[in-house]
Amino acid sequence: LAKTTQPISMDSYEGQEVNITCSHNNIATNDYITWYQQFPSQGPRFIIQGYKTKVTNEVASLFIPADRKSSTLSLPRVSLSVTAVYYCLVGDVERGTGTASKLTFGTGTRLQVTL
Amino acid sequence: DAGVIQSPRHEVTEMGQEVTLRCKPISGHDYLFWYRQTMMRGLELLIYFNNNVPIDDSGMPEDRFSAKMPNASFSTLKIQPSEPRDSAVYFCASSLIGSGYEQYFGPGTRLTVT
Repeated sequence: LAKTTQPISMDSYEGQEVNITCSHNNIATNDYITWYQQFPSQGPRFIIQGYKTKVTNEVASLFIPADRKSSTLSLPRVSLSVTAVYYCLVGDVERGTGTASKLTFGTGTRLQVTL
Repeated sequence: DAGVIQSPRHEVTEMGQEVTLRCKPISGHDYLFWYRQTMMRGLELLIYFNNNVPIDDSGMPEDRFSAKMPNASFSTLKIQPSEPRDSAVYFCASSLIGSGYEQYFGPGTRLTVT
């Protein structure tokens, strides 16, 4: 399983763009990159997933360079409400056939947004 | 849809007692996962099921832990006997297609073993 490394914590002011980078040097060909968000006293919530280049949804963007050894989660114009822990996961996306490799949650990045 | 439902939300028990945690996945989801979260170890996958069949239980810490999924709408995680080091938040999650896809997490059960 590809191991991921991400900063333990980050601080930002409200309204700024936040970029959280995750390293996954031994990512496999079939692996996808997935990010989850967890608020205190809640279960993690899926944010975004990608394989290469750039993916964007209503919440965030995910940038993946050509070598795929890292990825960056970008949160535009953050508000206080996105203060949470963000997890980067790498693993095979099993599509209903056979068995899937496990997705391993690391310790995540604790993002603190202040005024 | 009500989302993933877990019960109880909080459980306090004494060492040596049996603890049963319950989960109802989202209807139609084929995969069900049990996780444990502590400050020291983070979020750990304990076991996951595909179509009610356990696929990987390598994360189950020891024989005191067991999980079952008798049907597509119900799963249990049992600890017998419980120990103080089992104190954690236990999450259940379900997924429509595979473990790599979007997993929907329940609110968790906070277990305290004294």
